Amino acid sequence: KAGVTQTPRYLIKTRGQQVTLSCSPISGHRSVSWYQQTPGQGLQFLFEYFSETQRNKGNFPGRFSGRQFSNSRSEMNVSTLELGDSALYLCASQRTDPFDEKLFFGSGTQLSVL
Amino acid sequence: EDQVTQSPEALRLQEGESSSLNCSYTVSGLRGLFWYRQDPGKGPEFLFTLYSAGEEKEKERLKATLTKKESFLHITAPKPEDSATYLCAVRRDSNYQLIWGAGTKLIIKP
Repeated sequence: KAGVTQTPRYLIKTRGQQVTLSCSPISGHRSVSWYQQTPGQGLQFLFEYFSETQRNKGNFPGRFSGRQFSNSRSEMNVSTLELGDSALYLCASQRTDPFDEKLFFGSGTQLSVL
Repeated sequence: EDQVTQSPEALRLQEGESSSLNCSYTVSGLRGLFWYRQDPGKGPEFLFTLYSAGEEKEKERLKATLTKKESFLHITAPKPEDSATYLCAVRRDSNYQLIWGAGTKLIIKP
């Protein structure tokens, strides 16, 4: 069974640009969540999508947005990039129950903002 | 304020030298406590979920325990392949959002 796939693996952007990251969950998993990981802040929750609807949201500004498609694939968009957005962006999928199910993570997209 | 604190930040052990990692938490209404392992360049990999004080779970050389204020990840006779960053996270009753600790970087020398 294929794991969670994230593309691209690495991205370099400049301040003010926007970026779109992609995530394909494990087959049969309907929930996809996104996390930002930095050395200083650790893992922080961005948002979670289930059946094409944003079900939960973390405390990030509106520049961070996402969506989920009918095949459960998800995209995350960051507009007007800032230097502080440099981070590893991780996608995780889980089956259905939002509270008890373990998360399966992809390898992440390493975003560098210059 | 909900908080998860892991200690130590880094731990260097010789192969076969057993030790414990600590995860202390302050959260109202604990729904579950999770342990993950993260290798360099990869996303976290699930290890355990603990739900109530007194609960214990084991997997190979790892054993996780939970009290009302903290969790321990005990590593018995570790091998170099156990080297990784170990992350702890908690989830409250009323909130889906996981609160993560900063992790403990474990290095096992052969």
